[in-house]
Amino acid sequence: AQSVSQHNHHVILSEAASLELGCNYSYGGTVNLFWYVQYPGQHLQLLLKYFSGDPLVKGIKGFEAEFIKSKFSFNLRKPSVQWSDTAEYFCAANAGNNRKLIWGLGTSLAVNP
Amino acid sequence: DAGVTQSPTHLIKTRGQQVTLRCSPKSGHDTVSWYQQALGQGPQFIFQYYEEEERQRGNFPDRFSGHQFPNYSSELNVNALLLGDSALYLCASSLDRGFNTGELFFGEGSRLTVL
Repeated sequence: AQSVSQHNHHVILSEAASLELGCNYSYGGTVNLFWYVQYPGQHLQLLLKYFSGDPLVKGIKGFEAEFIKSKFSFNLRKPSVQWSDTAEYFCAANAGNNRKLIWGLGTSLAVNP
Repeated sequence: DAGVTQSPTHLIKTRGQQVTLRCSPKSGHDTVSWYQQALGQGPQFIFQYYEEEERQRGNFPDRFSGHQFPNYSSELNVNALLLGDSALYLCASSLDRGFNTGELFFGEGSRLTVL
């Protein structure tokens, strides 16, 4: 079955620390990949997406993610986190012939000031 | 520019009852998808509507049904509610791009509690 797995369920960092959140997907063919973020009390919003082309994609607020096809991975990174990055982060994917998004369980990130 | 709006924001029902949730998509969007998000889980795809028809469906029973109106707004109906239907129901709108889901814009969700 198609699936998305996120390895870190809860992450606690201090401000200025670097962040990497793991995401793996199980599709073998063409895949579109997304990272969404949900700040406390707010709705889900798109951080960044990968459809094709350059495997290193840059999103909002200094986030980036790298698509590594051989590893079926799409890890999210940020070199220096801020307290305002405290949120729930979701990785999602859809196969090239499927309109539904498959989501990971999410990673709760807490950044201490 | 109004984003995705959902109503009601919270509701409580008892087992066996029926519920209708409503969604107005972001201005200019023609596609509406519904997701169920249980506590501690990622969203699960229920179905997607485009041109007033259900275009794709996830692994949800027939108790879950929907509708899309000519103005692109949508409803999610759940019949014969079970305790396990308690969840946050998310509406997401997008512009149709065929099989590419593109960017989804989400509403705040409707929190359903079934007692």
